[in-house]
Amino acid sequence: KQEVTQIPAALSVPEGENLVLNCSFTDSAIYNLQWFRQDPGKGLTSLLLIQSSQREQTSGRLNASLDKSSGRSTLYIAASQPGDSATYLCAVVNSGGSNYKLTFGKGTLLTVNP
Amino acid sequence: EAGVTQFPSHSVIEKGQTVTLRCDPISGHDNLYWYRRVMGKEIKFLLHFVKESKQDESGMPNNRFLAERTGGTYSTLKVQPAELEDSGVYFCASSKFSGAVNTQYFGPGTRLTVL
Repeated sequence: KQEVTQIPAALSVPEGENLVLNCSFTDSAIYNLQWFRQDPGKGLTSLLLIQSSQREQTSGRLNASLDKSSGRSTLYIAASQPGDSATYLCAVVNSGGSNYKLTFGKGTLLTVNP
Repeated sequence: EAGVTQFPSHSVIEKGQTVTLRCDPISGHDNLYWYRRVMGKEIKFLLHFVKESKQDESGMPNNRFLAERTGGTYSTLKVQPAELEDSGVYFCASSKFSGAVNTQYFGPGTRLTVL
Protein backbone atom coordinates (compact mmCIF):
# COMPACT_ATOMS: atom_id res chain seq x y z
CA LYS A 1 0.00 0.00 0.00
CA GLN A 2 1.43 3.35 -1.08
CA GLU A 3 2.08 5.86 1.70
CA VAL A 4 3.19 9.44 1.14
CA THR A 5 4.92 11.46 3.85
CA GLN A 6 5.67 15.18 3.78
CA ILE A 7 8.21 16.86 5.99
CA PRO A 8 8.03 19.31 7.61
CA ALA A 9 4.35 19.58 8.51
CA ALA A 10 4.73 23.35 8.84
CA LEU A 11 7.40 25.84 7.87
CA SER A 12 7.74 29.56 8.52
CA VAL A 13 10.36 31.61 6.69
CA PRO A 14 11.13 35.28 6.08
CA GLU A 15 10.46 36.72 2.66
CA GLY A 16 13.24 36.22 0.15
CA GLU A 17 14.50 32.90 1.48
CA ASN A 18 14.97 29.87 -0.70
CA LEU A 19 13.30 26.79 0.75
CA VAL A 20 12.84 23.08 0.18
CA LEU A 21 9.79 20.95 0.88
CA ASN A 22 10.23 17.20 1.10
CA CYS A 23 8.03 14.32 0.02
CA SER A 24 8.71 10.59 0.34
CA PHE A 25 6.73 7.61 -0.87
CA THR A 26 7.01 3.94 0.04
CA ASP A 27 6.31 2.28 -3.33
CA SER A 28 8.62 3.38 -6.14
CA ALA A 29 6.37 1.92 -8.86
CA ILE A 30 4.73 5.19 -9.86
CA TYR A 31 3.51 6.75 -13.08
CA ASN A 32 4.03 10.29 -11.91
CA LEU A 33 4.24 12.64 -8.97
CA GLN A 34 2.34 15.88 -8.70
CA TRP A 35 2.82 18.90 -6.45
CA PHE A 36 -0.24 20.96 -5.58
CA ARG A 37 -0.90 24.16 -3.75
CA GLN A 38 -3.99 24.77 -1.64
CA ASP A 39 -5.03 28.15 -0.35
CA PRO A 40 -7.38 28.31 2.66
CA GLY A 41 -10.94 27.47 1.66
CA LYS A 42 -9.93 26.88 -1.94
CA GLY A 43 -9.36 23.89 -4.16
CA LEU A 44 -6.05 22.38 -5.18
CA THR A 45 -3.96 24.03 -7.88
CA SER A 46 -1.55 21.79 -9.77
CA LEU A 47 1.96 23.25 -9.72
CA LEU A 48 4.15 20.63 -11.35
CA LEU A 49 3.80 17.08 -12.64
CA ILE A 50 6.89 14.88 -12.98
CA GLN A 51 6.60 11.69 -14.98
CA SER A 52 8.40 8.64 -13.63
CA SER A 53 10.99 8.87 -16.43
CA GLN A 54 11.86 12.47 -15.58
CA ARG A 55 14.22 13.84 -12.95
CA GLU A 56 12.88 17.34 -12.54
CA GLN A 57 10.43 19.95 -13.70
CA THR A 58 10.63 23.72 -13.45
CA SER A 59 8.02 26.44 -13.50
CA GLY A 60 9.11 29.96 -12.69
CA ARG A 61 10.54 30.03 -9.18
CA LEU A 62 9.53 26.42 -8.57
CA ASN A 63 11.67 23.38 -9.22
CA ALA A 64 10.57 19.86 -8.39
CA SER A 65 12.90 16.89 -8.45
CA LEU A 66 12.15 13.19 -8.42
CA ASP A 67 14.35 10.30 -7.31
CA LYS A 68 12.06 7.37 -7.98
CA SER A 69 14.43 4.66 -6.80
CA SER A 70 14.78 6.20 -3.37
CA GLY A 71 11.15 7.25 -3.18
CA ARG A 72 11.79 10.97 -2.77
CA SER A 73 10.80 14.27 -4.27
CA THR A 74 11.63 17.82 -3.33
CA LEU A 75 9.95 21.09 -4.18
CA TYR A 76 12.36 24.00 -4.25
CA ILE A 77 10.94 27.51 -4.02
CA ALA A 78 13.35 30.32 -4.84
CA ALA A 79 13.11 33.83 -3.43
CA SER A 80 9.96 33.14 -1.45
CA GLN A 81 7.19 35.75 -1.31
CA PRO A 82 4.27 36.24 1.10
CA GLY A 83 1.97 35.17 -1.73
CA ASP A 84 3.60 31.74 -1.61
CA SER A 85 1.96 31.11 1.77
CA ALA A 86 -0.27 28.08 1.37
CA THR A 87 -0.41 24.35 2.01
CA TYR A 88 1.71 22.36 -0.42
CA LEU A 89 0.64 18.82 -1.19
CA CYS A 90 2.54 16.01 -2.83
CA ALA A 91 0.69 13.15 -4.53
CA VAL A 92 1.68 10.10 -6.57
CA VAL A 93 -0.07 7.91 -9.12
CA ASN A 94 0.86 4.26 -8.81
CA SER A 95 1.66 2.27 -11.92
CA GLY A 96 0.11 -1.10 -12.61
CA GLY A 97 -3.47 0.02 -12.21
CA SER A 98 -5.97 1.59 -14.54
CA ASN A 99 -7.59 4.28 -12.46
CA TYR A 100 -4.64 6.67 -12.01
CA LYS A 101 -5.86 7.77 -8.60
CA LEU A 102 -3.73 10.12 -6.54
CA THR A 103 -2.31 9.13 -3.16
CA PHE A 104 -1.64 12.24 -1.11
CA GLY A 105 0.58 13.27 1.74
CA LYS A 106 -0.82 15.41 4.54
CA GLY A 107 0.88 18.52 3.21
CA THR A 108 3.29 21.19 4.39
CA LEU A 109 1.82 24.47 5.63
CA LEU A 110 4.13 27.23 4.44
CA THR A 111 4.08 30.73 5.87
CA VAL A 112 6.26 33.39 4.28
CA ASN A 113 6.56 36.43 6.53
CA PRO A 114 7.02 39.89 5.01
CA GLU B 1 -12.18 27.65 -20.17
CA ALA B 2 -14.17 27.04 -17.01
CA GLY B 3 -12.55 24.95 -14.31
CA VAL B 4 -14.05 22.17 -12.24
CA THR B 5 -17.04 23.44 -10.32
CA GLN B 6 -18.72 21.96 -7.29
CA PHE B 7 -22.03 22.65 -5.61
CA PRO B 8 -22.78 23.45 -2.87
CA SER B 9 -19.67 25.01 -1.37
CA HIS B 10 -20.91 24.24 2.12
CA SER B 11 -23.58 21.94 3.50
CA VAL B 12 -24.66 21.50 7.09
CA ILE B 13 -27.05 18.64 7.80
CA GLU B 14 -28.16 16.54 10.71
CA LYS B 15 -27.25 12.94 11.23
CA GLY B 16 -29.61 10.70 9.29
CA GLN B 17 -30.39 13.21 6.57
CA THR B 18 -29.47 12.89 2.92
CA VAL B 19 -27.10 15.16 1.02
CA THR B 20 -26.22 15.26 -2.67
CA LEU B 21 -23.03 16.86 -3.90
CA ARG B 22 -22.55 17.84 -7.51
CA CYS B 23 -19.44 18.15 -9.64
CA ASP B 24 -19.13 19.61 -13.13
CA PRO B 25 -15.80 18.64 -14.70
CA ILE B 26 -13.89 20.58 -17.31
CA SER B 27 -15.56 20.16 -20.66
CA GLY B 28 -14.06 17.31 -22.66
CA HIS B 29 -12.54 15.55 -19.65
CA ASP B 30 -13.57 11.91 -19.64
CA ASN B 31 -11.96 11.13 -16.28
CA LEU B 32 -13.69 12.28 -13.13
CA TYR B 33 -12.52 11.57 -9.59
CA TRP B 34 -13.98 12.07 -6.15
CA TYR B 35 -11.73 12.54 -3.13
CA ARG B 36 -12.38 13.36 0.50
CA ARG B 37 -10.41 14.87 3.35
CA VAL B 38 -11.59 14.37 6.88
CA MET B 39 -10.14 16.59 9.59
CA GLY B 40 -6.51 15.86 10.40
CA LYS B 41 -6.11 13.29 7.65
CA GLU B 42 -4.76 13.31 4.14
CA ILE B 43 -6.94 13.60 1.05
CA LYS B 44 -8.15 10.14 0.08
CA PHE B 45 -9.50 8.71 -3.15
CA LEU B 46 -13.14 7.67 -3.29
CA LEU B 47 -13.84 6.67 -6.89
CA HIS B 48 -13.05 7.21 -10.55
CA PHE B 49 -15.33 7.52 -13.57
CA VAL B 50 -14.32 7.16 -17.18
CA LYS B 51 -17.17 8.81 -19.01
CA GLU B 52 -20.27 7.32 -17.40
CA SER B 53 -18.62 4.10 -16.20
CA LYS B 54 -17.19 3.51 -12.74
CA GLN B 55 -13.57 2.53 -13.27
CA ASP B 56 -12.72 2.09 -9.62
CA GLU B 57 -14.85 2.62 -6.53
CA SER B 58 -12.50 0.93 -4.07
CA GLY B 59 -12.26 4.06 -1.92
CA MET B 60 -15.97 4.40 -1.21
CA PRO B 61 -16.36 4.03 2.58
CA ASN B 62 -19.60 2.03 2.61
CA ASN B 63 -22.92 1.59 0.85
CA ARG B 64 -24.30 4.83 2.24
CA PHE B 65 -22.37 6.55 -0.53
CA LEU B 66 -23.66 6.47 -4.10
CA ALA B 67 -21.99 8.18 -7.04
CA GLU B 68 -23.43 8.62 -10.50
CA ARG B 69 -22.35 10.21 -13.72
CA THR B 70 -25.28 9.95 -16.09
CA GLY B 71 -24.38 10.80 -19.67
CA GLY B 72 -20.74 11.13 -18.79
CA THR B 73 -20.95 14.81 -17.95
CA TYR B 74 -21.58 16.01 -14.41
CA SER B 75 -21.44 13.70 -11.41
CA THR B 76 -23.33 13.49 -8.15
CA LEU B 77 -22.29 11.95 -4.86
CA LYS B 78 -25.13 11.13 -2.51
CA VAL B 79 -24.72 10.28 1.15
CA GLN B 80 -27.76 8.57 2.64
CA PRO B 81 -28.14 8.51 5.60
CA ALA B 82 -25.33 10.80 6.68
CA GLU B 83 -23.31 9.98 9.79
CA LEU B 84 -21.07 12.19 11.91
CA GLU B 85 -17.90 10.65 10.49
CA ASP B 86 -18.90 11.72 6.98
CA SER B 87 -17.98 15.31 7.80
CA GLY B 88 -15.12 16.62 5.73
CA VAL B 89 -14.27 18.31 2.47
CA TYR B 90 -15.25 16.47 -0.71
CA PHE B 91 -13.18 17.29 -3.76
CA CYS B 92 -13.88 16.50 -7.36
CA ALA B 93 -11.17 16.39 -10.01
CA SER B 94 -11.10 15.79 -13.73
CA SER B 95 -8.47 14.93 -16.28
CA LYS B 96 -8.42 14.62 -20.03
CA PHE B 97 -5.94 11.81 -20.32
CA SER B 98 -5.05 8.70 -18.43
CA GLY B 99 -1.59 7.40 -17.79
CA ALA B 100 1.67 9.18 -17.10
CA VAL B 101 0.50 12.60 -18.19
CA ASN B 102 -2.79 12.92 -16.41
CA THR B 103 -2.78 16.22 -14.60
CA GLN B 104 -5.86 16.24 -12.44
CA TYR B 105 -7.64 19.56 -12.05
CA PHE B 106 -9.47 20.01 -8.79
CA GLY B 107 -12.62 21.86 -7.88
CA PRO B 108 -12.91 24.07 -4.79
CA GLY B 109 -14.51 21.30 -2.76
CA THR B 110 -17.73 20.96 -0.80
CA ARG B 111 -17.40 21.25 2.96
CA LEU B 112 -19.89 18.85 4.55
CA THR B 113 -20.72 19.13 8.23
CA VAL B 114 -22.92 16.47 9.81
CA LEU B 115 -24.31 17.44 13.22
